[in-house]
Amino acid sequence: DIQMTQSPSSVSASVGDRVTITCRASQDIRGWLAWYQKKAGKAPKLLISAASTLQSGVPSRFSGSGAGTDFTLTISSLQPDDIATYYCQRADSFPYAFGQGTKLEIK
Amino acid sequence: QVQLVESGGGVVQPGRSLRLSCAASGFIFDTYGMHWVRQAPGKGLEWVAVISYDGTNKYYADSVKGRFSISRDNTKDTLYLQMNSLKPEDTAVYYCAKVDSRDRYFDLWGRGTLVTVSS
Repeated sequence: DIQMTQSPSSVSASVGDRVTITCRASQDIRGWLAWYQKKAGKAPKLLISAASTLQSGVPSRFSGSGAGTDFTLTISSLQPDDIATYYCQRADSFPYAFGQGTKLEIK
Repeated sequence: QVQLVESGGGVVQPGRSLRLSCAASGFIFDTYGMHWVRQAPGKGLEWVAVISYDGTNKYYADSVKGRFSISRDNTKDTLYLQMNSLKPEDTAVYYCAKVDSRDRYFDLWGRGTLVTVSS
């Protein structure tokens, strides 16, 4: 099965910083990748689908890129409300899989 | 109101069974595939199972294959997860999720129901 690996596992940044999270698939998944935001005690929220399509209502400071095996989630200017754990997820075929998550903290 | 509401969680002994439900509202339930995803305490998200819009196709994670069964009743707009032979490592918050129009990504999630497997 295809494995998803995120890095870093945690990141601490200041408000206004640019933050980049990477996700690597163990095999080619073309553009079938999503990014989710998970806050403690809340349901996950879909941020980006198809590697780079921003979901309606998601702030434009979030962006996604990549294809094949290497993908990136970027927050252009970190805001306090962005504190959460972020997960990538393959959606090319079953079994689906999530990355292990990247915990984002404010310095 | 567009929403998913899970129920049926609780404390159960190892080896026993439990059935989770997910009630859907605000969208045409029988046109979307549905998934179960779980999160163990302090751990990441784990995909569990999927069922097609009409219930004919189902897939499972290796960790639950042969023990869990996903089903749906489109007359009741409800998704189910039958969990048998439960193990302590099945302890988690279980979420149901709806796929989007591309039938790939989870655009609507429930708030989750906690399952604790412990003697």
